Amino acid sequence: AQSVTQLDSHVSVSEGTPVLLRCNYSSSYSPSLFWYVQHPNKGLQLLLKYTSAATLVKGINGFEAEFKKSETSFHLTKPSAHMSDAAEYFCVVSENFGNEKLTFGTGTRLTIIP
Amino acid sequence: GAVVSQHPSWVICKSGTSVKIECRSLDFQATTMFWYRQFPKQSLMLMATSNEGSKATYEQGVEKDKFLINHASLTLSTLTVTSAHPEDSSFYICSASRVFQYQETQYFGPGTRLLVL
Repeated sequence: AQSVTQLDSHVSVSEGTPVLLRCNYSSSYSPSLFWYVQHPNKGLQLLLKYTSAATLVKGINGFEAEFKKSETSFHLTKPSAHMSDAAEYFCVVSENFGNEKLTFGTGTRLTIIP
Repeated sequence: GAVVSQHPSWVICKSGTSVKIECRSLDFQATTMFWYRQFPKQSLMLMATSNEGSKATYEQGVEKDKFLINHASLTLSTLTVTSAHPEDSSFYICSASRVFQYQETQYFGPGTRLLVL
């Protein structure tokens, strides 16, 4: 069975400072991992994904995430926060075994302080 | 590319009526589509997996007779909430699975907000 734990339900950072959104996963097989962003009343947008290639994954809008198997983590980072980054972020896991089912974390709301 | 649309974006209906939500992949063919439900301030919960030309696979606890899914073509899946009740009010999101360069990614629609009075 697969599961995802997002360690912070709410993160606040000042504009221009680094962003860290934490995610730990559990998977029986070799997982694919994703980060999605959801702006208010909008659908989900894929930020980046890890699929057993390079462990450091670069995504859109300056975000990146590092897959650490030993720590079962896939934390999302950005060097400098922008006001437009304020949104809900979901860490998602999918097991690579012919199983396309996505399991979502509970989400982290990111607030940017001007 | 990889755009998924949903229609309607929001709907208000009376208790006891049925509501149909459409999910379309606009620029790619999707043999598999997924339907999710999201309650306020909560995560997405997978309701069912929809495969073109076959019956949908429902997650445990989801009533298949209440949430009818039809995947009529490679670009269209519909979710019908039958005899809707206020507890069915929620944000319904679909996704379509696209294979590109041997990798599969789900692309999400903008969601449909349902309010049952």
